[in-house]
Amino acid sequence: GAVVSQHPSRVICKSGTSVKIECRSLDFQATTMFWYRQFPKQSLMLMATSNEGSKATYEQGVEKDKFLINHASLTLSTLTVTSAHPEDSSFYICSARKGRGEETQYFGPGTRLLVL
Amino acid sequence: GNSVTQMEGPVTLSEEAFLTINCTYTATGYPSLFWYVQYPGEGLQLLLKATKADDKGSNKGFEATYRKETTSFHLEKGSVQVSDSAVYFCALEVGYKLSFGAGTTVTVRA
Repeated sequence: GAVVSQHPSRVICKSGTSVKIECRSLDFQATTMFWYRQFPKQSLMLMATSNEGSKATYEQGVEKDKFLINHASLTLSTLTVTSAHPEDSSFYICSARKGRGEETQYFGPGTRLLVL
Repeated sequence: GNSVTQMEGPVTLSEEAFLTINCTYTATGYPSLFWYVQYPGEGLQLLLKATKADDKGSNKGFEATYRKETTSFHLEKGSVQVSDSAVYFCALEVGYKLSFGAGTTVTVRA
C-alpha cells in the first residue's frame, strides 16, 4: 500500500499564532509532496509542490511567506501557517508521489484548521 | 487554463440504482483524467484513471471513458451499494499538477 498521514487532524488556534501541519508517507519514500487547500463545497486547490531538499514551488496567488513549506526528508513535509488569521481557516490536504515512474498521488486525510 | 466541471450534488440513490456523475474539462495539452473518491473520515483515493482518448478506466464496478470529442469523463456504475456513499472528485493532470472538480456527494440508501 501507500499510506499518507497528516497530523494534527484538526487544530484550533488564536489569530496571530503559527500552526504547523505534518505530512508523512508511512510506507514509501516520496520524491514529491503536494499541499492543497479545500474550501467548503469547493474543489481542492493546489498551493505548492515540494521536492525533498529543495525549495517549494508555490502556485500563483499563494503567499510563500505566509505558508512555509519544508520537505526535510523523503517521508516528511511540513506546512506552517504563520501569523494565522480567520481567513486562513480551511481544510489542508497533502499528497505524496513516489516518483521513479509511478505518478499516482497518494492523499492524506486532511487537517481542519480553525483560526479564532 | 485547466479546469474541471462536475455535476453538483448531493445525489441520493437507492441501493442497486444506476449512478452517473457528469464531468467535463478544459485543458491545454493532453491531460490524463481521474476519478478520486473520499469516504467519510478518510483521504482521497484514486478510483480510476484514463491517460488518452478513448481509454476506459474501471474499478470496483465504476467506469469512465475519456471522450476527447466532448471533453468529458463521466463516471458510471450500474448498481450502487450503500458502501459507495462518498464524495467523488473528477480531476485532470497536466504535467504533474492535478486540477479538481468541486466534488459530488453521493448517498446510497438501503
